[in-house]
Amino acid sequence: AQSVTQPDIHITVSEGASLELRCNYSYGATPYLFWYVQSPGQGLQLLLKYFSGDTLVQGIKGFEAEFKRSQSSFNLRKPSVHWSDAAEYFCAVGAGNNNDMRFGAGTRLTVKP
Amino acid sequence: DAGITQSPRHKVTETGTPVTLRCHQTENHRYMYWYRQDPGHGLRLIHYSYGVKDTDKGEVSDGYSVSRSKTEDFLLTLESATSSQTSVYFCAIRQGDHGYTFGSGTRLTVV
Repeated sequence: AQSVTQPDIHITVSEGASLELRCNYSYGATPYLFWYVQSPGQGLQLLLKYFSGDTLVQGIKGFEAEFKRSQSSFNLRKPSVHWSDAAEYFCAVGAGNNNDMRFGAGTRLTVKP
Repeated sequence: DAGITQSPRHKVTETGTPVTLRCHQTENHRYMYWYRQDPGHGLRLIHYSYGVKDTDKGEVSDGYSVSRSKTEDFLLTLESATSSQTSVYFCAIRQGDHGYTFGSGTRLTVV
């Protein structure tokens, strides 16, 4: 079965600094890849997704992610972080039928003033 | 907004008692999912449904059952709750290839 690793449990960045959250996946075929964000006490909100085509995908709130097949990675980036970006971020991979989406353990982002 | 409502939002129950969590959607989506969220594990799939009376097991289905008698409702039942089932439970629906949309969650505490 597919799996996802998010190597960083917790990241702290200063407001205005750039951000990169790492995600590595394991899946034999072309995966469906997603990034979700969760604010405290809330459900998960979809930031962006990759199915095929252009390997650099744009999402909401100024986020982007790049699919690198050779590195089995789908890292999330933002050029300038805002205090409101503080949340937990989850990378997920879906199999071909998209009925068994596996999530990483999450990366908690803290933004310093 | 996909119109997903989970109930209850919070519940405390005693070990050994049955518990049912409800997920209700208003947009006639075929696929619905139950996940549990625990620190260090992210979200793990418990069961999912691909239509009325059509369900299948996920990664962590032991101790849980589900039912879907109507398109709009997907019920998760803990037949005999245990402390290891203390968790936050999320329902989700799939909107084509647009990823999943999640409800606000149910925080369940088993004492």
